[in-house]
Amino acid sequence: DAGVIQSPRHEVTEMGQEVTLRCKPISGHDYLFWYRQTMMRGLELLIYFNNNVPIDDSGMPEDRFSAKMPNASFSTLKIQPSEPRDSAVYFCASSLAGGPGELFFGEGSRLTVL
Amino acid sequence: DQQVKQNSPSLSVQEGRISILNCDYTNSMFDYFLWYKKYPAEGPTFLISISSIKDKNEDGRFTVFLNKSAKHLSLHIVPSQPGDSAVYFCAANPGGKLIFGQGTELSVKP
Repeated sequence: DAGVIQSPRHEVTEMGQEVTLRCKPISGHDYLFWYRQTMMRGLELLIYFNNNVPIDDSGMPEDRFSAKMPNASFSTLKIQPSEPRDSAVYFCASSLAGGPGELFFGEGSRLTVL
Repeated sequence: DQQVKQNSPSLSVQEGRISILNCDYTNSMFDYFLWYKKYPAEGPTFLISISSIKDKNEDGRFTVFLNKSAKHLSLHIVPSQPGDSAVYFCAANPGGKLIFGQGTELSVKP
């Protein structure tokens, strides 16, 4: 299996621009998670889906952030408009069961907003 | 509000010695805990886990201890190797998701 695939690996953009991060989970996994890694808060859960339905989006910082999962093999995290404080590494992860159990992470998308 | 806390951002250990990474949590309802390891430019990978019905789980050089009364867990690596140098994240599973700590960067020096 190819694992969780994220794109782009690196994104540099200017403040105010729209950013779209993409994720392909492991085939057959029911759950998909979006995390953000920062120095202060570590790995922070933004939102997660079960069978393509958003279950908990309480971690989404502001209305500027939105996430979709139109089908079992694809999800997007969008930031519009982006701000410098959004600069971080964004990880997508998937799992076969909601828990307890391990998550499988992608390699992350490093976002820099100038 | 951090429900899972790793208060040591970094730890440096000599090769061959023991590494002890600590983690505290606030919610006594948490009943399953995991440790993840992360190398630079890679995603975190699962290392070891423990259920609240146990107080210890061992896997080779890695042992996790759980003290429920103190709401504290620790990861012991014995002996430490340079390849263990990475960021280690503690996580709690309250059901359906993982809540992670801030991470501890371990450096094992030859």
